[in-house]
Amino acid sequence: GAVVSQHPSRVICKSGTSVKIECRSLDFQATTMFWYRQFPKQSLMLMATSNEGSKATYEQGVEKDKFLINHASLTLSTLTVTSAHPEDSSFYICSATGAREAFFGQGTRLTVV
Amino acid sequence: AQSVAQPEDQVNVAEGNPLTVKCTYSVSGNPYLFWYVQYPNRGLQFLLKYITGDNLVKGSYGFEAEFNKSQTSFHLKKPSALVSDSALYFCAVMGGNEKLTFGTGTRLTIIP
Repeated sequence: GAVVSQHPSRVICKSGTSVKIECRSLDFQATTMFWYRQFPKQSLMLMATSNEGSKATYEQGVEKDKFLINHASLTLSTLTVTSAHPEDSSFYICSATGAREAFFGQGTRLTVV
Repeated sequence: AQSVAQPEDQVNVAEGNPLTVKCTYSVSGNPYLFWYVQYPNRGLQFLLKYITGDNLVKGSYGFEAEFNKSQTSFHLKKPSALVSDSALYFCAVMGGNEKLTFGTGTRLTIIP
């Protein structure tokens, strides 16, 4: 199956700083990528749909100015958590879809201290 | 709107016994159904999917799932559980925009 690489796998940052998470599709071109957030022992919550060459579509309740998404190429989407706060600490997962199949990155554990 | 229900938060099964993890769905149009497994601090690993064809779908690691249109169910099964099967399992349905909607997850624990 296709490979989606997400980086970094873990990051610790100070409150008020910004953190960028990268999601790359390594062996196929992904016009659409999705960003999810997962709280401990809970399901994945879709945050936004990242569309190559256009603005991301955010789910209701997700602050677009706080979670900046850029999808500048067919193989790379980035999620930037701006002015991070401890409540942003979570597990973030990206996925790329194609041909009715979804491929997931390894996830990023963000801890804001 | 599409939705997925996993009625059991936790399922415990003795090693060697058959296991079932339940999933029901609601979607307009043809359902595209998936099962994923997640280990601690890891992304999701694909197990199997139903797009069309045979109602019994075979997937990775000996898992299979049965699509039942009349009951709108897609239960995950394995004939003989292994301790290494202990993990968090997610059922998901894909809509026309290729957006996945996940169930709340079922934690499967295999008891040695």
